Amino acid sequence: GEDVEQSLFLSVREGDSSVINCTYTDSSSTYLYWYKQEPGAGLQLLTYIFSNMDMKQDQRLTVLLNKKDKHLSLRIADTQTGDSAIYFCAEIRTGGSYIPTFGRGTSLIVHP
Amino acid sequence: DTEVTQTPKHLVMGMTNKKSLKCEQHMGHRAMYWYKQKAKKPPELMFVYSYEKLSINESVPSRFSPECPNSSLLNLHLHALQPEDSALYLCASSQATGGYTFGSGTRLTVV
Repeated sequence: GEDVEQSLFLSVREGDSSVINCTYTDSSSTYLYWYKQEPGAGLQLLTYIFSNMDMKQDQRLTVLLNKKDKHLSLRIADTQTGDSAIYFCAEIRTGGSYIPTFGRGTSLIVHP
Repeated sequence: DTEVTQTPKHLVMGMTNKKSLKCEQHMGHRAMYWYKQKAKKPPELMFVYSYEKLSINESVPSRFSPECPNSSLLNLHLHALQPEDSALYLCASSQATGGYTFGSGTRLTVV
């Protein structure tokens, strides 16, 4: 995951918004994904965005893509204790084997 | 059916044992994957099967042997593992354009 960078930890209070950031390096990336992993579980696909989009909203989740800065963010509105998990950003590069490159993951801790 | 099912959920094996991990999907995905994940790390790709043929082997030791009996099933045969092979083993499947669906994993402990 060296080409995809994420901060390792984020701590928020229940009810606040959480913003998890990710930077990527390949300018030709076609797909950018957010996965959630709860303790002892597999990775759950939360949402994704195509590189020709700037924003995607799905209920409490908002994804913002800044192509110029190669910056991707995931905003979780009204964060709940059940949102505590590790969140992985992943990119899939065009013209390749469609194998994702994962970031190291951001551990989100939600305090009551 | 939108799930990838992995069995068993937990496995403890000795270094001389032979065991197999199983993965099944019925979404019609033609690509299936094995990943290894250590605690608090991202998943590491091990093998990729595309249309039931092995297309990528990420220099995985031969004590791990994948098998794809048909388009819905993926196995990982384990033999003579080392304690450092203890990890969460994840299976995933996808359409050609990505958007993986992961199973919940097999937690493997080698003693």
